[in-house]
Amino acid sequence: DIQMTQSPSTLSASVGDRVTITCRASRSISSWLAWYQQKPGKAPKLLISKASSLESGVPSSFSGSGSGTEFTLTVSSLQPDDFATYYCLQYNSYPLTFGGGTKVEIK
Amino acid sequence: EVQLLESGGGLVQPGESLRLSCAASGFTFTNYAMRWVRQAPGKGLEWVSAISASGSATYYADSVKGRFTIARDNSKNTVDLHMTSLRAEDTAVYYCAKAALNYALIDFWGQGTLVTVSS
Repeated sequence: DIQMTQSPSTLSASVGDRVTITCRASRSISSWLAWYQQKPGKAPKLLISKASSLESGVPSSFSGSGSGTEFTLTVSSLQPDDFATYYCLQYNSYPLTFGGGTKVEIK
Repeated sequence: EVQLLESGGGLVQPGESLRLSCAASGFTFTNYAMRWVRQAPGKGLEWVSAISASGSATYYADSVKGRFTIARDNSKNTVDLHMTSLRAEDTAVYYCAKAALNYALIDFWGQGTLVTVSS
């Protein structure tokens, strides 16, 4: 099974900050990586697929990069609506595996 | 508009069974693989099971293999998760999720249904 290690687990930031979240895969997953945003009591929402493809309607302040085993999600300027928990997902092979999540909190 | 509506959650005792159902609308159901993902209270996301568009291929997490069965009815646009021998650690919100076309990627989630396993 492919293990996904996500860091940090918690991130304290202010509105306007640039934040970066990292996911590392235990072996190469090419670019088969997605990023999701989840708010309390809600279902996750797809932000980025194939490591760097922004989904329709997602603000351009979000970007993804990486391939192989190391990936990053960057928010260039954090907005109040961006405070949430973020998860990566590898979909290179079954079993699909998620990172442990990163909670972005208000500093 | 894509919609996934889960039902069937509730409180059960350890060892009992439960069937979750997901009603899909807003897309051509027969073209898309489907998944179930769960989230224990206060915890992260865990993929549980997947089924191909035709229903001919199914996949399970090791934690549920042999206890859970996924099935779909393409005439009714539904996908079910039959859960047996439930354990306390199966307590979670269970999300029905749609795959992207031709990819294993999850691109849309239902709102979830809570399963609580407790005596």
